[in-house]
Amino acid sequence: QQQVKQSPQSLIVQKGGISIINCAYENTAFDYFPWYQQFPGKGPALLIAIRPDVSEKKEGRFTISFNKSAKQFSLHIMDSQPGDSATYFCAASKPGTYKYIFGTGTRLKVLA
Amino acid sequence: GAVVSQHPSRVICKSGTSVKIECRSLDFQATTMFWYRQFPKQSLMLMATSNEGSKATYEQGVEKDKFLINHASLTLSTLTVTSAHPEDSSFYICSASQGAGNTIYFGEGSWLTVV
Repeated sequence: QQQVKQSPQSLIVQKGGISIINCAYENTAFDYFPWYQQFPGKGPALLIAIRPDVSEKKEGRFTISFNKSAKQFSLHIMDSQPGDSATYFCAASKPGTYKYIFGTGTRLKVLA
Repeated sequence: GAVVSQHPSRVICKSGTSVKIECRSLDFQATTMFWYRQFPKQSLMLMATSNEGSKATYEQGVEKDKFLINHASLTLSTLTVTSAHPEDSSFYICSASQGAGNTIYFGEGSWLTVV
């Protein structure tokens, strides 16, 4: 019940295309869902985050879609660029804690 | 965004020795810091939660006597890998909580190689 399942494990997208990464959770107590971007040999960097009271959040080319009833959320990267090639992790946490449960990660490669 | 600094970024130590990794929050006070371990091409595994002025809380399966965590101030937490062995070689990452909105920020990570 503590898991966050992430898919796909790896993704190859053409430049200019849309990258979509999905995550699913079981614990309805989770109330914060961030996405992190990690380049090789670097720490993860916060990309965008959402709370269950909204169904979508957009920041630039990055959009989170949230489906509370299905307990799923996804990251959409519009107009994907080679510089977006990285590993992306979704995460979830419960109220009042900063203890994140991370997904298994998706390695994205955007072809030039 | 908030900045979390880790040092050293890379360290090589001999088997049986101890090595310390520092995690600093540079522009905010972090009441809570976290230590993760990440194996190549795998997700982040939470090792322990560090609260300023109190003992760290370790996740199941993490040896607290091997991975000593100290959070002596609101801007500094340290992880000491004691009596290191080659299997301890890994990428160690810290993160710090800014205290509001559940947002945490990660350090750049520290590569530990035990030879």
